[in-house]
Order: sequence, then structure tokens, then C-alpha cells
Amino acid sequence: GESVGLHLPTLSVQEGDNSIINCAYSNSASDYFIWYKQESGKGPQFIIDIRSNMDKRQGQRVTVLLNKTVKHLSLQIAATQPGDSAVYFCAESRRTGTYKYIFGTGTRLKVLA
Amino acid sequence: DTEVTQTPKHLVMGMTNKKSLKCEQHMGHRAMYWYKQKAKKPPELMFVYSYEKLSINESVPSRFSPECPNSSLLNLHLHALQPEDSALYLCASSHRKLKDQESQDQPQHFGDGTRLSIL
Repeated sequence: GESVGLHLPTLSVQEGDNSIINCAYSNSASDYFIWYKQESGKGPQFIIDIRSNMDKRQGQRVTVLLNKTVKHLSLQIAATQPGDSAVYFCAESRRTGTYKYIFGTGTRLKVLA
Repeated sequence: DTEVTQTPKHLVMGMTNKKSLKCEQHMGHRAMYWYKQKAKKPPELMFVYSYEKLSINESVPSRFSPECPNSSLLNLHLHALQPEDSALYLCASSHRKLKDQESQDQPQHFGDGTRLSIL
């Protein structure tokens, strides 16, 4: 049988639809959060970040929402395109200035034509 | 193309070999990082350098030895590695920014990694 953790959670979305990728974090002292996109054979690519004094931040086709009450972060991608297919990681900084970033487990986004 | 360059892209080595991974950035970033990433897993932090000094070592075995010879270069020296050390090794860099005299975190820029295989 397969071991737990061998497969990434996968989100399948139709091209043109909106995608929502979720991330839970555990440390209430974390004050800076980043979303990365990692395509096959490449390193993580910065998408958008948010600090704990904000609850929403928008970029081009992407929005990050932060709910500190339930320690939850989400990434919304509008009008999902085939080029958005990748693994998405959230990362948290557990203490400002330590440069110690902890990555979440990741979600694979598959865009269906 | 990324602004953080890692060489080599692939490396196969035996358990008794000594090799080095190299990372270079010219963005003026003064924080540099080494991560290890296994298949289908998130990157795991190994080392952080801040202003060319080691500031974080995440209890990494001594068979991994980092070095930051100047503000643009970061090396990872490898010796007597084990098969379980096979992974993608990622280098990253970030700005150090001060806001109201406090250090403020900045996003990291990653290279595309070195795929390491230990025989």
C-alpha cells in the first residue's frame, strides 16, 4: 500500500474558473506569509506575500486572504490558465528578522482544458 | 531564467566523494539560504546566512558544510553523504530591510536547484 504523504493534495479546476488554495498555519506568532509556485524541474517562484497587519492583498489575478483568528491563509487565482498548473506552497515566517521560513505541505493545481 | 544561479544542475556522487554545490546572486541580497527538498515534499530549511555569517543551522549533519565567501556566493560542501541525502538542493536569497529600525522579512528568490543523487 501507499504511505501517507506520498501524494500531494490536488485541486483540479476548469480553465477559466477561479481557484482557491488553502493553507493552515500553526504558530500564532507568525507575522509574514508568502505564496510560492513551483513548476516541475524548477525552484519555487514568489507569487505574493502578506504581513500580519493585513487581511487581504491583491496582485495581478491573485489575491491572498489571511484569517489570523483561525490561522488560515488562502490564495485565490482568477480565470485560471493552463500555465497556472504547478505545486503551490505557503510559507510562514515564525519570527520577524530571523529569516526562518517554514513551508506548508503544498497543493498541486491541475488546470483542465 | 532565475536571478539565483545554481551549479551544477545535476550531480551524482558516491558515498566517499567530496563535492560542492554553488549558488550565486547579484541582486545585492544579504540573506542567503540552503534548502533540501525531497520528492512531493516542501522545501526544508538547512542553513541561513545573514551578512555572510551563519545565523541558522537547522541541526544539519556535519557531512553538509556551508560556506559564504562573499555577499554574492554561497557554497555547500558535501562529504561522506548517505543515500537518503539524495534530493533537490535549493538556494535562495532575500533582502534585509529595516522598517522603523526593525528588521522586516522579505520574500525569497530561489534558484532552480541541484538534483543530487548519492550512489
